Formats: sequence, C-alpha cells, structure tokens
Amino acid sequence: DAGVIQSPRHEVTEMGQEVTLRCKPISGHNSLFWYRQTMMRGLELLIYFNNNVPIDDSGMPEDRFSAKMPNASFSTLKIQPSEPRDSAVYFCASSLAQGGQSTDTQYFGPGTRLTVL
Amino acid sequence: KNQVEQSPQSLIILEGKNCTLQCNYTVSPFSNLRWYKQDTGRGPVSLTIMTFSENTKSNGRYTATLDADTKQSSLHITASQLSDSASYICVVRFPSGGSYIPTFGRGTSLIVHP
Repeated sequence: DAGVIQSPRHEVTEMGQEVTLRCKPISGHNSLFWYRQTMMRGLELLIYFNNNVPIDDSGMPEDRFSAKMPNASFSTLKIQPSEPRDSAVYFCASSLAQGGQSTDTQYFGPGTRLTVL
Repeated sequence: KNQVEQSPQSLIILEGKNCTLQCNYTVSPFSNLRWYKQDTGRGPVSLTIMTFSENTKSNGRYTATLDADTKQSSLHITASQLSDSASYICVVRFPSGGSYIPTFGRGTSLIVHP
C-alpha cells in the first residue's frame, strides 16, 4: 500500500490567496484526520471525518478554513484567504475505526509544508 | 482543560545509552495513551498504545509504562541508536460526544550522538 498521500508537499503563497491541500487516505480506512503542526503549538487536530462525514471540526481555527470529503478516497483542506500565521505543516492521517473502539492506529501522510508570505 | 505535558523538551545522549521520556496528562476521562515517533520531515508513526488497564507495553527497544492513578507515562529507550534521533509525541485520547478526541503533547526532541 502506498500509505496516505498528500499533495502538494510544499506550498508557498502570498497572503490573501486561496490554498487547497489534498489527501488520499489508505484504501479501506473509514476515518480521516487533518492536523496542523507548528513549533509553538505542536500538533493540533483540525477536523476529522468518519465514513466521509465530518464528526468534529472544533479544531478548525476560523471560518477561513474548510474541509471536505466527497468520497472515501479523497479529502481537501482549504484556506481562503490565507494569512502568514497559517504557515505550518499540515498532516492528513487515516485509520480503520471499528465500532466505537478508540484504539485505531492513525497512519500519517508526509505532510504539506505551507508558507504564506 | 485536557492537557498533555512532556518532559524534557529536548534531550541529547550518546549512542548506546538508555533514556527515559516523560508524559503527564490531565485528560479525563481517559481512553488510551499512545506514543509516536516523528522523524524530521515526516509524519508521526505509532510506537505503542496502552489502555487504562495496561501498565507496560514494549516494542523492540522501546518500552512504555503507564500509571493511570498518577496520570503519568514514560517511554524508555534502551541501547539508543542514531536512528532514534527524532521527536517523541505522547497522545492521550478521551471520549467526547460518541467519538474519541486525541490531545497531543508538544513532544520531546531526542538527539543521539555517535
């Protein structure tokens, strides 16, 4: 299996521009997570989906952030408009959650390093 | 507020030596605790997971312990290797509204010198 695939790996954009990050989870996994990692705050959960449905988006910092999962094999995280403080590494992870169990292992993608100038 | 605190923030050791990383949490109620290893420029990879009833779990040279009474966990690395240089992140998961929310520590940065 190719693992979780994220694109692009690096993104440099100017303040005010729209940014779209993409994620392809591991085939067969039913849960997908978006995280943000910075030196100051570490890893933060932004949103997660179960069976393509957003379950918890309390970590999404502002209305400028939105995430979609149109099908089981694709998700996007969009920032519009982007700001310099959004600069971070964004990780996508997927897991196979089984019936209310919390011990599912999340497999992380390589991340997208976003720089907003 | 649910929090996970890790110490030390960074650690430098010589190859072949042992080391212990600490994780204290205030998460309640508690579901499970997991240790991740994150190499530079890559995503975290799970090392061990422990539920409330487990107090030790090993994965090769990595041994994690859990004291649910004092809400403390440790990750012990035996006979360190250069490849152990990475960030180690403690994550505690708690039930909330039918799902299980992960709370992350800031990580301990480990550098192993030859």
